[in-house]
Amino acid sequence: AQTVTQSQPEMSVQEAETVTLSCTYDTSESNYYLFWYKQPPSRQMILVIRQEAYKQQNATENRFSVNFQKAAKSFSLKISDSQLGDTAMYFCAGDLETSGSRLTFGEGTQLTVNP
Amino acid sequence: DGGITQSPKYLFRKEGQNVTLSCEQNLNHDAMYWYRQDPGQGLRLIYYSQIVNDFQKGDIAEGYSVSREKKESFPLTVTSAQKNPTAFYLCASSINPGQGASIEQYFGPGTRLTVT
Repeated sequence: AQTVTQSQPEMSVQEAETVTLSCTYDTSESNYYLFWYKQPPSRQMILVIRQEAYKQQNATENRFSVNFQKAAKSFSLKISDSQLGDTAMYFCAGDLETSGSRLTFGEGTQLTVNP
Repeated sequence: DGGITQSPKYLFRKEGQNVTLSCEQNLNHDAMYWYRQDPGQGLRLIYYSQIVNDFQKGDIAEGYSVSREKKESFPLTVTSAQKNPTAFYLCASSINPGQGASIEQYFGPGTRLTVT
């Protein structure tokens, strides 16, 4: 079964510092997509970044970057220069099934950025 | 502006009543999804639809029903058979997964349902 695991229920970081959120997954597919979503207090789900498994280069979006280790099935999110507005629940998700018909979500990591 | 709308934002019902949550998208997406989110937890898939007039059960479909009569609309009915209906409900849409591209999902603002 396809699974996504986030082992850090809560994390905190000081403003302007860097933080890394962990995610591991399980799939038998060789080609798939991985995502990080952000859910701020408004509860609106926002796509932060995505990674295509067949691309070796790690995806980057401004202050957000990923460390994608395909062999280890690891997909961590690094947030640089953390800002107060980064405070949110972060979900790791994957399009991991053959049919590509659904996403599998992790349990989430609550990130708090402290001033 | 293209996007997904869910209405209402807050919904209150008495126990034993059916209630329908609205979800509309103008992104021209073929696939639509319904998720349930409980406090401090992740998203659990209730139902999804990849094409009009067709839908599949997700992981927690019991006590819920859906219809997909139009591409733009995917309403969710929470029936009286759902034992713990109070939750936050999120609707999402994506391109047709069969096209081989990424199925990143775009989400609506959600509906908070409270049943007393």
